[in-house]
Amino acid sequence: QPVLTQPPSASASLGASVTLTCTLSSGYSNYKVDWYQQRPGKGPRFVMRVGTGGIVGSKGDGIPDRFSVLGSGLNRYLTIKNIQEEDESDYHCGADHGSGSNFVWVFGGGTKLTVL
Amino acid sequence: EVQLVQSGAEVKKPGESLKISCKGSGYSFTSYWIGWVRQMPGKGLEWMGIIYPGDSDTRYSPSFQGQVTISADKSISTAYLQWSSLKASDTAMYYCARRDGKAPVDYWGQGTLVTVSS
Repeated sequence: QPVLTQPPSASASLGASVTLTCTLSSGYSNYKVDWYQQRPGKGPRFVMRVGTGGIVGSKGDGIPDRFSVLGSGLNRYLTIKNIQEEDESDYHCGADHGSGSNFVWVFGGGTKLTVL
Repeated sequence: EVQLVQSGAEVKKPGESLKISCKGSGYSFTSYWIGWVRQMPGKGLEWMGIIYPGDSDTRYSPSFQGQVTISADKSISTAYLQWSSLKASDTAMYYCARRDGKAPVDYWGQGTLVTVSS
C-alpha cells in the first residue's frame, strides 16, 4: 500500500502563496490523492482530489478559487494563493488502495500551515 | 440537509468497554459507506475501518483489526465504533465520515472525544 509523506509544517505571509506537497511512495505514481483542510479545533473538510492530470471532480463545498492542485510524478500539490488568516489549518492528504477485502485508506501525517 | 451526528464525549477507565455512535440523516443511510477515523492529540488522521450499512460489509485497517468493532443499525441510521477493553492509548478524537464508494469524504461527523484515564 502507498505511504503518503507530508512536511510537518509550512508558513506563508498574509496575501502570499504557498504550495503544500504530498508525496506518494515509489510505485504509486498513478494514484489520486484527496486533500482535506482541518481548521483549529474543527473536523476535516474536503478540499479537492488530485491526480497526475490535475483536479479530479469538483472542489469541496465553499472552497475558494484561491485553492488549486497539480500532480506530477509521485507528488500531489495543493497551492493556496492570496493566503488569508482563515487558511491557517492542518492540511491532510489521503488515498485509497485496493478493493474489496484488501481495501485500505491511508493518510499522510498532515502539514500545519501557519499564516504569518 | 445531510448530517452525521456523533455521540458525546466520553471519559473512561482502562479496561472499560465503550460504544460510540454516528447517526446519519438527510440521505439514504444504506447507500453510502461510513468510515471511522482516529486523530490522537496533536497528530494526523488514521483510518480505522469502514462499513456499508446496506449489507454491513465491513473492512478494517490492519492496524485496528481485532482492536475495535464497527457495526451499523440501518433501522435507526446509526453506525457504531466499539471497544471491549479500552487502553490509555485509545485517548483520541474519533470522526465518522461518509463516502460514496471511492469518492472522497463529503460529510464528516463533528467528532467524539474519548479520554481513557485511571
